[in-house]
Amino acid sequence: DVKVTQSSRYLVKRTGEKVFLECVQDMDHENMFWYRQDPGLGLRLIYFSYDVKMKEKGDIPEGYSVSREKKERFSLILESASTNQTSMYLCASSFEQGAGETQYFGPGTRLLVL
Amino acid sequence: GQNIDQPTEMTATEGAIVQINCTYQTSGFNGLFWYQQHAGEAPTFLSYNVLDGLEEKGRFSSFLSRSKGYSYLLLKELQMKDSASYLCAVRPLGGSYIPTFGRGTSLIVHP
Repeated sequence: DVKVTQSSRYLVKRTGEKVFLECVQDMDHENMFWYRQDPGLGLRLIYFSYDVKMKEKGDIPEGYSVSREKKERFSLILESASTNQTSMYLCASSFEQGAGETQYFGPGTRLLVL
Repeated sequence: GQNIDQPTEMTATEGAIVQINCTYQTSGFNGLFWYQQHAGEAPTFLSYNVLDGLEEKGRFSSFLSRSKGYSYLLLKELQMKDSASYLCAVRPLGGSYIPTFGRGTSLIVHP
């Protein structure tokens, strides 16, 4: 079974703090993704990565950066957290760029920025 | 770009059948996913349709019409545990192949 884990289920930070969200997958997947999920807006893609040290912007990258130093780990960084970044953050991974490849999601990190 | 539309909320009775619709407009279409997401949990894969028609998996079935830009998820013999959000996601043809998600349909099953 694929397992995608995220470092925290709940996180409370203050405005201006630097925040790291970690994601680890154990199935040697090439692709990893970061989404945020907000009521009424659904899942929106922040960044994704096809390979180690590679990253691509998604639909809403502003205010975020990512790091992929190892294949199994994909980190989302909020350089200076703001209240509008309060959200549920979901990490996902998939095996390859094949058209039918499903994404496997982690349990999510609910971030509150005060 | 892609535009995906699904109802925000639906309610149904335990034991009944419910159909959750998803319509999409896209410049290039490869296939359509359905995911289930229970409150506070990760989305989990239900189905992926590429060809027109109905695909059945136990109590859940998914239908696709490429020409109409339309899909539905059919849930039979509803159980209380089926209360969840159901996410429709469209995979584009070419480019990044990364799916775009709809806003999700919250299904409430009551006794």
